[in-house]
Amino acid sequence: EPEVTQTPSHQVTQMGQEVILRCVPISNHLYFYWYRQILGQKVEFLVSFYNNEISEKSEIFDDQFSVERPDGSNFTLKIRSTKLEDSAMYFCASTPQGTGAYTEAFFGQGTRLTVV
Amino acid sequence: AQRVTQPEKLLSVFKGAPVELKCNYSYSGSPELFWYVQYSRQRLQLLLRHISRESIKGFTADLNKGETSFHLKKPFAQEEDSAMYYCALRRDDKIIFGKGTRLHILP
Repeated sequence: EPEVTQTPSHQVTQMGQEVILRCVPISNHLYFYWYRQILGQKVEFLVSFYNNEISEKSEIFDDQFSVERPDGSNFTLKIRSTKLEDSAMYFCASTPQGTGAYTEAFFGQGTRLTVV
Repeated sequence: AQRVTQPEKLLSVFKGAPVELKCNYSYSGSPELFWYVQYSRQRLQLLLRHISRESIKGFTADLNKGETSFHLKKPFAQEEDSAMYYCALRRDDKIIFGKGTRLHILP
């Protein structure tokens, strides 16, 4: 069964460093998402991406964040200068179409980012 | 503002007992609601969606617009139901999640 894959599973980085989280969505999906979950808190929407551009982003997704689909398969989240509060589990998701009532979002296993 | 509230962080239920995971929402318009589940060391996955009115793994959820609720129910809990459960609401192009309830089934 096709699935969303994320690498790495755990990333430790120093405060101020740039980090890139990688995702390979399911191949025929068109919409891609990043969510994050700070330990003990809820899963929060960061950004959605369709047709090579951001379709929606949350207040969390400030200028430090960017997303890219550099080739036909990868979908990346870059954090330019990491802060301690960026430590969280980051989930990538994809859907074959937009999040309609019948549409299931498929999630990756997540990347745990630890900023020290 | 659109919001999903799951009042219980943890719910412990004996095997064979009924389960009810509470979810309330606030949304102006017709909501589209989902339950997602995350088993230990596995990814988030869709459990059920209100529009399908389906029963998955014995779980059902009825949308009650008067009470703005979408509680998840199962008549007889099984040990394999232990997991994290997230109620979620679709708004535009994204899914808004509640904080989640950890369901712990006691033997």
